[in-house]
Amino acid sequence: KQEVTQIPAALSVPEGENLVLNCSFTDSAIYNLQWFRQDPGKGLTSLLLIQSSQREQTSGRLNASLDKSSGRSTLYIAASQPGDSATYLCAVSGTGNQFYFGTGTSLTVIP
Amino acid sequence: DVKVTQSSRYLVKRTGEKVFLECVQDMDHENMFWYRQDPGLGLRLIYFSYDVKMKEKGDIPEGYSVSREKKERFSLILESASTNQTSMYLCASSFSLVYGRDTNTDTQYFGPGTRLTVL
Repeated sequence: KQEVTQIPAALSVPEGENLVLNCSFTDSAIYNLQWFRQDPGKGLTSLLLIQSSQREQTSGRLNASLDKSSGRSTLYIAASQPGDSATYLCAVSGTGNQFYFGTGTSLTVIP
Repeated sequence: DVKVTQSSRYLVKRTGEKVFLECVQDMDHENMFWYRQDPGLGLRLIYFSYDVKMKEKGDIPEGYSVSREKKERFSLILESASTNQTSMYLCASSFSLVYGRDTNTDTQYFGPGTRLTVL
């Protein structure tokens, strides 16, 4: 069964800093990988989806990369802002119509 | 924009009650999912459905059932609620992508969640 790990579990950075969140998965036979943001007590908001044939995706200050062979993805956030404070989750999709989720990284950006 | 709505944001029920959680999506998605989210355990898939009247068990289906009579609506049923079913319940939907003989899911869109407390 696919296992997804996110390290660190929590991260605190000063405003303006660039940062990297990590996601690793055990089975490299994935179709795609998705990064989500979750605010406290709320649902998940999709940030980026990377197909298995792609190496990266960008949206504004966010850049996600995928190295399928090593089972790793990173989410790069440039020039962090207090509004970026949230929990970030990654999820991978293999055979079948479901995603497997990591437990997330809780990010705090200090003004 | 895709919209996924859930019938309640907060729900309090008593042990043994039958509980219905409803989810509706407005984008004609084939796939719909029910997850529960607990601290330290992340999101765990309870059931999913890839078509009307079709359902598949996820990782933790025990104590739950589902119903999908219409494409836009996916219901989660707790037949006899127990305290260990206190959790945040999240519904999601997505299009299907076809890769040769296999199908897989495109971007998942989530509802706002239902915080269920069972006393």
